[in-house]
Amino acid sequence: NAGVTQTPKFQVLKTGQSMTLQCAQDMNHNSMYWYRQDPGMGLRLIYYSASEGTTDKGEVPNGYNVSRLNKREFSLRLESAAPSQTSVYFCASRGDRARDYGYTFGSGTRLTVV
Amino acid sequence: QKEVEQNSGPLSVPEGAIASLNCTYSDRGSQSFFWYRQYSGKSPELIMSIYSNGDKEDGRFTAQLNKASQYVSLLIRDSQPSDSATYLCADSGGSNYKLTFGKGTLLTVNP
Repeated sequence: NAGVTQTPKFQVLKTGQSMTLQCAQDMNHNSMYWYRQDPGMGLRLIYYSASEGTTDKGEVPNGYNVSRLNKREFSLRLESAAPSQTSVYFCASRGDRARDYGYTFGSGTRLTVV
Repeated sequence: QKEVEQNSGPLSVPEGAIASLNCTYSDRGSQSFFWYRQYSGKSPELIMSIYSNGDKEDGRFTAQLNKASQYVSLLIRDSQPSDSATYLCADSGGSNYKLTFGKGTLLTVNP
């Protein structure tokens, strides 16, 4: 089925470790996004990419880096994980008619930093 | 900083009743609005979008937009237990259609 695929689904890291969250979409969408979701805080934008080759910071970019590898793939990297980065991470993409269709979300990555 | 405000709930309604979910937004320039449903432990899924003043109906769901009052609502008719979820309101704006989400309203439909 077409959609947004995220890996891994679950991850436990020790403080200071690094990891990359992977996201790929097969809908030929230009724009891709990384959000984190925390209890009581809602969904907050970390980084986004309006098109292949471009990335921009969102609301909460500190501690993260991103790479738009090609049109399909948008990865999120934690260089030195901290307990404050314990969260559920969602990747999303949108088509060119966003005013009509909104985002399509991946299934999420549940990350725990101990 | 744009803001989208929702009553966190929980909102509890009996099966078969109308559930009314509300949302206000701060950016007068916002053009498009979205309602997402999120089941516990799952990702948000889009259920409605609206960008013109007035009502938009899709099955048991009706979205309402009032740009003068900066108010968006979602009505769910004939509520079912399967509608129990958190409903997220989102506001589109800016050149790259970055969505700003409210914190969500938890809806519980009691059999």
